[in-house]
Amino acid sequence: AQKVTQAQTEISVVEKEDVTLDCVYETRDTTYYLFWYKQPPSGELVFLIRRNSFDEQNEISGRYSWNFQKSTSSFNFTITASQVVDSAVYFCALSEMNYGQNFVFGPGTRLSVLP
Amino acid sequence: NAGVTQTPKFQVLKTGQSMTLQCAQDMNHEYMSWYRQDPGMGLRLIHYSVGAGITDQGEVPNGYNVSRSTTEDFPLRLLSAAPSQTSVYFCASRPQGVSYEQYFGPGTRLTVT
Repeated sequence: AQKVTQAQTEISVVEKEDVTLDCVYETRDTTYYLFWYKQPPSGELVFLIRRNSFDEQNEISGRYSWNFQKSTSSFNFTITASQVVDSAVYFCALSEMNYGQNFVFGPGTRLSVLP
Repeated sequence: NAGVTQTPKFQVLKTGQSMTLQCAQDMNHEYMSWYRQDPGMGLRLIHYSVGAGITDQGEVPNGYNVSRSTTEDFPLRLLSAAPSQTSVYFCASRPQGVSYEQYFGPGTRLTVT
């Protein structure tokens, strides 16, 4: 069965520090998709990135970067020079091509960036 | 486009009452789903639909019913509310195909007393 683990329940950093949020997944499929979502204190869910299982290139978008490693089944998310506005709950999610249509979400990591 | 809309934003029910959470999307997405979010548990899938007239159960379907009579609407019915159903409920939609991200509504915060 598909499963997503985010071992860090809560992380606190001081502004301008770098922080990495871990995501480890389990799947029996060879074709799958990984996602990150952000949930700020206002409560909405904001899509950040999608990655397919055949593309292991790292992705950078401004202060955000993602490291996908199939060998360790991980899809980690790094925020460089964190800001208070980065404070949110971050969810990693997985969907499989051949074993159902549904996302499975990890439990989330609550990031607090202190001024 | 309004995207995914949900009503109401907040609701308080007494144990045993029934109600319907409304969800609508204007993006012509085939796939729609309902999740509940509880502290420390992420989002758990309640029911989903791959198109009008087709629904199926997710991880935590007990106590909830859905129907999908149109592409746009996917209401979630609580048959007899219980305190364990106190949660935040999110509706989501996406085009058909597992490669697409889901678009989420703003959520409904439900309290059952």
